[in-house]
Formats: sequence, C-alpha cells, structure tokens
Amino acid sequence: RKEVEQDPGPFNVPEGATVAFNCTYSNSASQSFFWYRQDCRKEPKLLMSVYSSGNEDGRFTAQLNRASQYISLLIRDSKLSDSATYLCVVTTSGTASKLTFGTGTRLQVTL
Amino acid sequence: GAVVSQHPSRVICKSGTSVKIECRSLDFQATTMFWYRQFPKQSLMLMATSNEGSKATYEQGVEKDKFLINHASLTLSTLTVTSAHPEDSSFYICSARDRAGHSNQPQHFGDGTRLSIL
Repeated sequence: RKEVEQDPGPFNVPEGATVAFNCTYSNSASQSFFWYRQDCRKEPKLLMSVYSSGNEDGRFTAQLNRASQYISLLIRDSKLSDSATYLCVVTTSGTASKLTFGTGTRLQVTL
Repeated sequence: GAVVSQHPSRVICKSGTSVKIECRSLDFQATTMFWYRQFPKQSLMLMATSNEGSKATYEQGVEKDKFLINHASLTLSTLTVTSAHPEDSSFYICSARDRAGHSNQPQHFGDGTRLSIL
C-alpha cells in the first residue's frame, strides 16, 4: 500500500465549478499535512497547510480527518489557471522529517 | 522569500556521461537538503537527504555509488549521476530546509533539472 494515495484523475471541470480532491495516508504517526500544486514540468509549490480544524484560503479549503487518515482539498469557482496537478504531502514529526508525496490529482479546468 | 537555485535546468547527454547538478540556497542557510526524482506521471520520490558536513542518507533502492551527493557548505549541495544511462532520464528536484526555521514552508524547492540520456 502506498504511503499517500490519491485519485490520479484527470478531473475535467468547467470554469466556475466546485471540485474536491481526496487523499489518504497510511502512517498514523504523520504530523504535518500539505497540499502542493505542480504545473507541468515545474517544481511543486506549496498551496496550503492542512489543519484538523480546517483552513480556508480564498477559494481553497483544506480539511484533515486524523481518525480516518484522510485529507481533502476543495476548490470553489474554478479558474482556468487552476489547471495543474495537486499533490497531497505528509510528513512525520521532527526537524529531520521527510516529505512524502502522493502521485497527485490532475485537474483540467475548461471554458 | 527563500529561494533555491538549481542548475542546470536541462541536460541532454550521451550514455556513459556523468552529470552534476547543483542546488544552492540563495538567501538562507540549509543544513539539510533533499534530492528527489520524478518520472513521468509519477510522484516525487525522495532519493536522499543531504546533510552539510556529513554523508548523505540514501533511501532504500537508491545506489549511493551511482548518485553521489556532496554537501560541502550550508548553501550548496551537488548530485552527480555517474555513468548515466537512458533509464536515469528523469526530472531531478532539490529542496532545502531553512536552518533558522524562519519560513512557514517545510522545504523550498529548486526549479528542477530535466535530464535526458540518449
């Protein structure tokens, strides 16, 4: 079983749609959680951290469910520029913690 | 903000060539840098953790004699792919952790190096 699992998609949605991505992780000792965005042939860029209380940044909302080891990302009012691969990332605690990446979910927003 | 510079961005060379990739933290010190590899449509896979002044820690299945890592200063780590073959063709990305912990990001990524071995 992969440490971090995501539906690879692609998710094809029209502009203005709301889309949700899910992610599950296998290591119950995981402490920190993130969503990254990766454009084709580019490095990943941090989109937002994920907290148990849920957090929102503009059109983006992230949620963590530790009991189910499940992370979600909701994008409202999708823009063409949101088209990218969204990576779910998990770390264990400590200063030497490594990032473990999911394979990513591809989003394509169309006119 | 914290910047990581990775060079070169693109390499095309013949089989058997050794290729060196540099990763520099430009405005912060990084005691720890990470080297990832990403094949098409796959996730970033950690290859090794580079520690300033000590030997790198390699992930399972990564050959340390094939992928030489040197982290001689707090701002520079290098990855050398020795005697590269077509199967080594991939997207290599480095990242660095801010030693002072000033950033809210867990790691800062370089732009990546696309390596193609003919």
